[in-house]
Amino acid sequence: GQNIDQPTEMTATEGAIVQINCTYQTSGFNGLFWYQQHAGEAPTFLSYNVLDGLEEKGRFSSFLSRSKGYSYLLLKELQMKDSASYLCAVTDSNYQLIWGAGTKLIIKP
Amino acid sequence: GAVVSQHPSRVICKSGTSVKIECRSLDFQATTMFWYRQFPKQSLMLMATSNEGSKATYEQGVEKDKFLINHASLTLSTLTVTSAHPEDSSFYICSASSGDPNTGELFFGEGSRLTVL
Repeated sequence: GQNIDQPTEMTATEGAIVQINCTYQTSGFNGLFWYQQHAGEAPTFLSYNVLDGLEEKGRFSSFLSRSKGYSYLLLKELQMKDSASYLCAVTDSNYQLIWGAGTKLIIKP
Repeated sequence: GAVVSQHPSRVICKSGTSVKIECRSLDFQATTMFWYRQFPKQSLMLMATSNEGSKATYEQGVEKDKFLINHASLTLSTLTVTSAHPEDSSFYICSASSGDPNTGELFFGEGSRLTVL
């Protein structure tokens, strides 16, 4: 079956760095997305990786290793507004988007 | 960036009534739109894929006669929850892509929270 694993919940301190991991087992691979979702709101796009390596975008970076079926989202200089759920999603060989359950990130002062 | 607008954001209805949710791409043409539902503390669940001018493709377990999807133009898709019941209460979200839906960014609507009494 198709499966995406990410931690259920993480806690970090304001100003610090946090890494949210995502591992996937899918029938084929055509890209990996990270989305941010605040409670009660729709997800917003953070990053898209289709090749191995690190993509940096401001305070957020996303890494992909296709051979390991692994990605991480790195958040630097954490702010209170970063408290949200972070969703990992993979496009499989049929271009079906498979969603992870999301990681709830709690930022403490 | 591209904008997708969803309306209404909140709706409360009586059991047995029908509710229509609109999803509009405001500044781009979306040949494909996706409809999701999300229960509290759970991830997004794809309900159906809507292609302009053709019938929607429903995911397994989603009743197409209950969740009517119409994608009449390149900028508008609608989801109608027919004969709604309390178990249909959920957060419904649409998304659209401005380019290839298989490789590009998905733009999400604001979501519609449906409460069926």
